Amino acid sequence: AQKVTQAQTEISVVEKEDVTLDCVYETRDTTYYLFWYKQPPSGELVFLIRRNSFDEQNEISGRYSWNFQKSTSSFNFTITASQVVDSAVYFCALIKLTSSNTGKLIFGQGTTLQVKP
Amino acid sequence: DGGITQSPKYLFRKEGQNVTLSCEQNLNHDAMYWYRQDPGQGLRLIYYSQIVNDFQKGDIAEGYSVSREKKESFPLTVTSAQKNPTAFYLCASSIVRSGANVLTFGAGSRLTVL
Repeated sequence: AQKVTQAQTEISVVEKEDVTLDCVYETRDTTYYLFWYKQPPSGELVFLIRRNSFDEQNEISGRYSWNFQKSTSSFNFTITASQVVDSAVYFCALIKLTSSNTGKLIFGQGTTLQVKP
Repeated sequence: DGGITQSPKYLFRKEGQNVTLSCEQNLNHDAMYWYRQDPGQGLRLIYYSQIVNDFQKGDIAEGYSVSREKKESFPLTVTSAQKNPTAFYLCASSIVRSGANVLTFGAGSRLTVL
């Protein structure tokens, strides 16, 4: 069975601190995709990144970086020099590449990040 | 601007009443989805549709119904059979192709059953 676990329910940091959101996944498939989405207080989920199972290169986008390690089945997300605008709920998700049902994402429980000024 | 519009944003209903949530997209996406979000449980798929006049059950379809008469529209009806309907409902859409497509989400509808 496929599963995504975000063990951190809530994280609170002070602005300018670095913060890492953990994501651990379970799948028996060799081909799959992993995602991170951000849900600000307005409600809609905003796509941050998609990574396929064959690409273990770490990715950096501005203050955001992602560390994908197949050996530990983890896809962690780090925000450097956090800002108040980063306050949101962050979801990690998993999908099988070979599935015809491309929207059947399996979401983690989400991590609520609060960045205090 | 292209996007997904969900309405109403907030909805209050009495127990036993059916309610319909609207979802409209102007992204020309073929696929549309409905997710339910409960605190601490992430998002769970209710229904999805990859083409007009066709839709499939997701993981928690019981007590819900949908229709897909137009490409742009995918309304969700929460029926009286849904035992715990109070939740945040998110509609999404995507293109359809092999591989993992990125979903675009609406701003959600919060349903409270009194």
